[in-house]
Amino acid sequence: DQQVKQNSPSLSVQEGRISILNCDYTNSMFDYFLWYKKYPAEGPTFLISISSIKDKNEDGRFTVFLNKSAKHLSLHIVPSQPGDSAVYFCAASATGSNYQLIWGAGTKLIIKP
Amino acid sequence: GAVVSQHPSWVICKSGTSVKIECRSLDFQATTMFWYRQFPKQSLMLMATSNEGSKATYEQGVEKDKFLINHASLTLSTLTVTSAHPEDSSFYICSAQTGWETDTQYFGPGTRLTVL
Repeated sequence: DQQVKQNSPSLSVQEGRISILNCDYTNSMFDYFLWYKKYPAEGPTFLISISSIKDKNEDGRFTVFLNKSAKHLSLHIVPSQPGDSAVYFCAASATGSNYQLIWGAGTKLIIKP
Repeated sequence: GAVVSQHPSWVICKSGTSVKIECRSLDFQATTMFWYRQFPKQSLMLMATSNEGSKATYEQGVEKDKFLINHASLTLSTLTVTSAHPEDSSFYICSAQTGWETDTQYFGPGTRLTVL
């Protein structure tokens, strides 16, 4: 049972445009969500997170939106840059779970010049 | 800040030998460290959680006698793959949590293990 789902295995976006990566979850106990970026043969890099008490968190070009009623979050990258090409993972955790992260399958983002 | 290193970055070994992978938090003390495994084109799979000074908690399906984890200090955790077999070939990644930012994990660069 996949508790965190990233339904788009890949996404192609023109450089300079907005990239929107989506993530859905099923476990209502999740109260903290994170986005990581990963290049091949490297460990994931933390990008941005959001607590369930918020619906938006912004950090530079990255904004995460959380819609609790829909159990959906999205990562917006604007403007998209060539260096943003990577696999993006959505992860979630629940208080009391020893902060273990439940991962989505990842979305490969390709920024076209 | 929050830098995690792993050593070695890649290792090739013969079937039946044991391999140790180190994970270090360089500029913070990690109360909890996690070990993940990633198969090609798949998401990260949590293998075990370790807290300093206590036994690791393994995920279902992970053989604790095969994947020995030792969290000897607040800055070092080791994963030993014992009696490695070709099916153990994978990308192993560790992560660490700081004591004050407990929901965010900082990842090491990963170790590519190839068992011949």
